[in-house]
Amino acid sequence: AQTVTQSQPEMSVQEAETVTLSCTYDTSESDYYLFWYKQPPSRQMILVIRQEAYKQQNATENRFSVNFQKAAKSFSLKISDSQLGDAAMYFCAYRNYQGAQKLVFGQGTRLTINP
Amino acid sequence: NAGVTQTPKFQVLKTGQSMTLQCAQDMNHEYMSWYRQDPGMGLRLIHYSVGAGITDQGEVPNGYNVSRSTTEDFPLRLLSAAPSQTSVYFCASSYSKNSADTQYFGPGTRLTVL
Repeated sequence: AQTVTQSQPEMSVQEAETVTLSCTYDTSESDYYLFWYKQPPSRQMILVIRQEAYKQQNATENRFSVNFQKAAKSFSLKISDSQLGDAAMYFCAYRNYQGAQKLVFGQGTRLTINP
Repeated sequence: NAGVTQTPKFQVLKTGQSMTLQCAQDMNHEYMSWYRQDPGMGLRLIHYSVGAGITDQGEVPNGYNVSRSTTEDFPLRLLSAAPSQTSVYFCASSYSKNSADTQYFGPGTRLTVL
């Protein structure tokens, strides 16, 4: 079974600075998807970014980018120019390429933005 | 489009009581699923459905029943609530079971079992 591990329960960063959240995963599959979800205090799960394992290029979405290291099974999220609205829980998630859309989540990292 | 809606937002039950958490989507999505989120943990899959009349178990199905009689609705039933089922429950949907499709989450239901 696939597992996802986020080793940083909490992180903090000064507003306007850059922060990187770590995620590692374990799978025997060669094709899969990886995601970062944001969960603000409202509890709503918001998709931040996703990466297809067959793509070597790292995904980017505005101030959010990932560092995908397939051999190391590592998938970190970099947030540039941090804003107060980025404060939230961030979850890393994995999904197989084949089969039903079952997401496997990490434990989450709580990100605090200091003004 | 209301997206994925869940009712109620909050619920308190006594041990042994039964209840149904409602989930509906108006996007004509084939795939729907239920997750639970416990403190310090990520979301874990309870049950899922790839279309009307088809359901299957996820990672933590014990104590929960589901059915999918329509495309729009996917209720989650607790037949005899236990304190271990205290959690936040999320419903999610996507256009199909194709792994390329984005999943959309509802706002969650916070359930407390005393």
